[in-house]
Amino acid sequence: EAQVTQNPRYLITVTGKKLTVTCSQNMNHEYMSWYRQDPGLGLRQIYYSMNVEVTDKGDVPEGYKVSRKEKRNFPLILESPSPNQTSLYFCASSSTSGNNEQFFGPGTRLTVL
Amino acid sequence: QQPVQSPQAVILREGEDAVINCSSSKALYSVHWYRQKHGEAPVFLMILLKGGEQKGHDKISASFNEKKQQSSLYLTASQLSYSGTYFCGTEQNAGNMLTFGGGTRLMVKP
Repeated sequence: EAQVTQNPRYLITVTGKKLTVTCSQNMNHEYMSWYRQDPGLGLRQIYYSMNVEVTDKGDVPEGYKVSRKEKRNFPLILESPSPNQTSLYFCASSSTSGNNEQFFGPGTRLTVL
Repeated sequence: QQPVQSPQAVILREGEDAVINCSSSKALYSVHWYRQKHGEAPVFLMILLKGGEQKGHDKISASFNEKKQQSSLYLTASQLSYSGTYFCGTEQNAGNMLTFGGGTRLMVKP
């Protein structure tokens, strides 16, 4: 089944404790991205990647890191999480040869205390 | 810059129609529409390309006015299953990052 998976789905952590949210897709998509969703603000892009070893900042990259060492994986790293990073996070992927339809993962709800 | 969606929320009775608008201040290559049910991930509905025609499936259709940088999503004879939050996403150039609007919350009541 074609899908985007994220882990963990829920995470409660404390300020400053490094964490990684994993994202994996099995559709051989070149393009992957991370969004955060906050009430009233819609989906805001954090980082995106056009292909392996190619990443770029989105609209709200501060406090986040990403890497794209393999085509299927695009982890999101919070080196020192803060309470303002409490949010719902979505990973998405798409094919650059298609219409750029985004396939979203199920989401990760992060709470930073 | 985020596209602006209006209205922010709308409540309908089953069978009524609704229009959701998406407006950008920048020239656009395409507009995407997604629907998100509560507690779920957004799901792709359709894409409208510059120079393309109006799209639609079932009773949901959309248009794209390139000159005004606006798109509208039309929901006809709404069903309970149409409830959710609708997002437009805009691309300035082919293959560019998608920028989403703030969303329009749609509730259809029996």
